[in-house]
Amino acid sequence: GAVVSQHPSWVICKSGTSVKIECRSLDFQATTMFWYRQFPKQSLMLMATSNEGSKATYEQGVEKDKFLINHASLTLSTLTVTSAHPEDSSFYICSARDPAGGSYNSPLHFGNGTRLTVT
Amino acid sequence: GDSVTQMEGPVTLSEEAFLTINCTYTATGYPSLFWYVQYPGEGLQLLLKATKADDKGSNKGFEATYRKETTSFHLEKGSVQVSDSAVYFCALVDQGAGFQKLVFGTGTRLLVSP
Repeated sequence: GAVVSQHPSWVICKSGTSVKIECRSLDFQATTMFWYRQFPKQSLMLMATSNEGSKATYEQGVEKDKFLINHASLTLSTLTVTSAHPEDSSFYICSARDPAGGSYNSPLHFGNGTRLTVT
Repeated sequence: GDSVTQMEGPVTLSEEAFLTINCTYTATGYPSLFWYVQYPGEGLQLLLKATKADDKGSNKGFEATYRKETTSFHLEKGSVQVSDSAVYFCALVDQGAGFQKLVFGTGTRLLVSP
C-alpha cells in the first residue's frame, strides 16, 4: 500500500542552527502534503499545507520564515526549522493523500514523524 | 470552526474488557469521520472511517457509527488485547479552505494490561 517516508526519525540540534526534515511519498505522487506538529499529550496541529510547485499555505500563528516548506517535486516535501530554539522541540509529522483514492474521503497516509530536540 | 472532542485518557483496561472511547464533533457541513491509531514510536495509521450518517466503520474488531443526531463517532471494541495499547485519535475532514485538511481530537491513550 501507499507509504510515506519521513527522515530523520529523530534529530538533536543546537540552538540557532537549522534542521531539515524530508517527507517522501514512496509509491504515489502527492500534489499536496500536510505538516503537523504534535506536542506531548496533545493533538496534532496542522502547521501548513504544502503544494507542489507553489507556495505553502500556513495556518494562523505559524511563522512562515521560521518553518520553511519546499515542495519541489510530486514525491518530496521538506520542512526546514530555521534558527531553532528549545521551544521548537516537538514531534513533527507529515502526511499525504494518495490521489488514486478518488476524493477527499480517501485517507491520509502519515510518516512516522520526526522527534526534534533543540538544546 | 470545525472541532473534535475526545474523552481524556488514559483509559486503562484488562485484556478482554470492553472498550468505548467517546468522540463528538462540531461541523458546519457534512464531514467525514475517522479514527486513527498511533502505536508507540510510530506514525498515525487509519483505523476506520465513515463518510455519512448511520455509516459504520469497522476494522480489526473496532467499530464506530456516525451518529448525526448526537454528532458522535464513538469507538468500540468488544474484547481488547494488550497489542491494542496505543493512542487513538478521532478526526474529521474539514471541507472548507479547499484542501480538505483533517481536524484532530486531542487523542486518548489506551493501556491494556494482561
